[in-house]
Amino acid sequence: GENVEQHPSTLSVQEGDSAVIKCTYSDSASNYFPWYKQELGKRPQLIIDIRSNVGEKKDQRIAVTLNKTAKHFSLHITETQPEDSAVYFCAASGTGGYNKLIFGAGTRLAVHP
Amino acid sequence: SQTIHQWPATLVQPVGSPLSLECTVEGTSNPNLYWYRQAAGRGLQLLFYSVGIGQISSEVPQNLSASRPQDRQFILSSKKLLLSDSGFYLCAWSHGLGRPNTEAFFGQGTRLTVV
Repeated sequence: GENVEQHPSTLSVQEGDSAVIKCTYSDSASNYFPWYKQELGKRPQLIIDIRSNVGEKKDQRIAVTLNKTAKHFSLHITETQPEDSAVYFCAASGTGGYNKLIFGAGTRLAVHP
Repeated sequence: SQTIHQWPATLVQPVGSPLSLECTVEGTSNPNLYWYRQAAGRGLQLLFYSVGIGQISSEVPQNLSASRPQDRQFILSSKKLLLSDSGFYLCAWSHGLGRPNTEAFFGQGTRLTVV
């Protein structure tokens, strides 16, 4: 089955710096890659997603890139702000048409003022 | 619009007691339904997923079970809880078979503490 690896597990940056989180997946049939943000004690919420027919997608300060050949995708946050502090999860799905999402282990991002 | 309800929000149960967590979805039909568990400070572990009534796939061997008695109802159960069952349990739904892959929408979660 699908396996998703996520790095780093923790990331500390200064406000205004960029943050990059990387994920790799094992199933070449996966075709949908969402990123979720989870604040302490709350449910994960989608922040951006990308499909396998696209190499990059941007939404204001957030961007995601996908390399299908290498089977990895990354989240880029520019001009980080303290409110970006949270746990971020990548995920992959697509095999068998059942939309089953497999998540990475998460990255705890801390943005220091 | 679609909504997902999960309850209870918090639960403290003694070791060996039974468990029943319920999740319902409104505003969509034939959704895929999921139970995830998140241990403290850890990632999201997929426990069960269901693509239809009575169809349950288990991802991880354990003393938990899941049932889907109705199209938009998903129940997580245990006959005898273990200390290791403590965690944050999240129900989620996504569009079902035949629809393009989309995000999973999560319930508010149940924080279970087994004492």
